[in-house]
Amino acid sequence: ETGVTQSPTHLIKTRGQQVTLRCSSQSGHNTVSWYQQALGQGPQFIFQYYREEENGRGNFPPRFSGLQFPNYSSELNVNALELDDSALYLCASSDRDRYKSPLHFGNGTRLTVT
Amino acid sequence: SQKIEQNSEALNIQEGKTATLTCNYTNYSPAYLQWYRQDPGRGPVFLLLIRENEKEKRKERLKVTFDTTLKQSLFHITASQPADSATYLCALGDNFNKFYFGSGTKLNVKP
Repeated sequence: ETGVTQSPTHLIKTRGQQVTLRCSSQSGHNTVSWYQQALGQGPQFIFQYYREEENGRGNFPPRFSGLQFPNYSSELNVNALELDDSALYLCASSDRDRYKSPLHFGNGTRLTVT
Repeated sequence: SQKIEQNSEALNIQEGKTATLTCNYTNYSPAYLQWYRQDPGRGPVFLLLIRENEKEKRKERLKVTFDTTLKQSLFHITASQPADSATYLCALGDNFNKFYFGSGTKLNVKP
């Protein structure tokens, strides 16, 4: 089985710009979650998609948005970038129909906003 | 909102000893709790899951306990090895596979 892959691995953007991060889920998984991890902190839940519908959201503003596609791959979009958006963005897939399925993470996209 | 606390200071132990990591939480009643390992520059990797009605779970050298009265989980690594050095994260899960993570504890195992 293929694991979770994310692209790009690193990205540098300027404040005010927009960015799109991509994630390919592990095969057989129907749920994707996005997390933001600042240096020295644990992952913070952004939102989750289940079968292409947003299925829960953490404490992040609307300029963070996402999509899940029929093949269960996903995008995270961030508009009007701010310096505090600099972080590691992690995508995790799981099978929500399998009770208490663990999260399978990619290795993240390191976003730097200057 | 829920608060999840893990020791922010690094835990330094000698090879062969047992490492014990703590996860405390408030304002939350999780359906289950998971522990993950994270190496620098990598995503977290799932280690163990324990349900709210379970007291203890074991897997090889790993043991997790879960006390819903104290709102605490302990994570033990017995016979620790330098390869166990990493950051360990606890995560509380609800019934919809949404997880909330602690900030992690860095473990250093010295040879």
